[in-house]
Amino acid sequence: DAKTTQPPSMDCAEGRAANLPCNHSTISGNEYVYWYRQIHSQGPQYIIHGLKNNETNEMASLIITEDRKSSTLILPHATLRDTAVYYCIVNSGGSNYKLTFGKGTLLTVNP
Amino acid sequence: DGGITQSPKYLFRKEGQNVTLSCEQNLNHDAMYWYRQDPGQGLRLIYYSQIVNDFQKGDIAEGYSVSREKKESFPLTVTSAQKNPTAFYLCASSNGGGRGLSGNTIYFGEGSWLTVV
Repeated sequence: DAKTTQPPSMDCAEGRAANLPCNHSTISGNEYVYWYRQIHSQGPQYIIHGLKNNETNEMASLIITEDRKSSTLILPHATLRDTAVYYCIVNSGGSNYKLTFGKGTLLTVNP
Repeated sequence: DGGITQSPKYLFRKEGQNVTLSCEQNLNHDAMYWYRQDPGQGLRLIYYSQIVNDFQKGDIAEGYSVSREKKESFPLTVTSAQKNPTAFYLCASSNGGGRGLSGNTIYFGEGSWLTVV
């Protein structure tokens, strides 16, 4: 799997948009970008994933640059319950079952 | 409810003992995984299984063993050979990998805390 780089921590005010960046400059053409989040002492929760196009679901939006070397996860109206560690990973599916998680970004939403 | 069930949530092990963590899924997923997480760290892959009766070592398999006799079950045994077993253990499953076009979305259980006493 290609490596990803994320800032170790970010802060966001409650009610504002949280924009979490991820660099994946060595991503290959068939690799998807995935985002998960983990609240302390719980299992990671799937948020969203995409290949080339921007994606949106009920939780978040994913913006992938045209060259696919970076992406941004957007939580449009952050709440205190969004405080968590957010992981960006890349994976091709196919025959590659190994998913590599780094340390992620600790997002703290402040009142 | 569909999902992944890990048990027990908390487990204490004495030095020299083997312990087994249970993981059951009713999502009909082919692939299952075990990860270990230490405080403040990311997830590290211990073992994974693509299909029943088959499994592969991950990045930190030493001191662990698994079996995959049924599609829905993937128990992890932490053996006495694992010198530093105190950690948070996460089981996961997916139906991707080999299915082509949609990547490999994996879903996690709620985790099991193992402490050596």
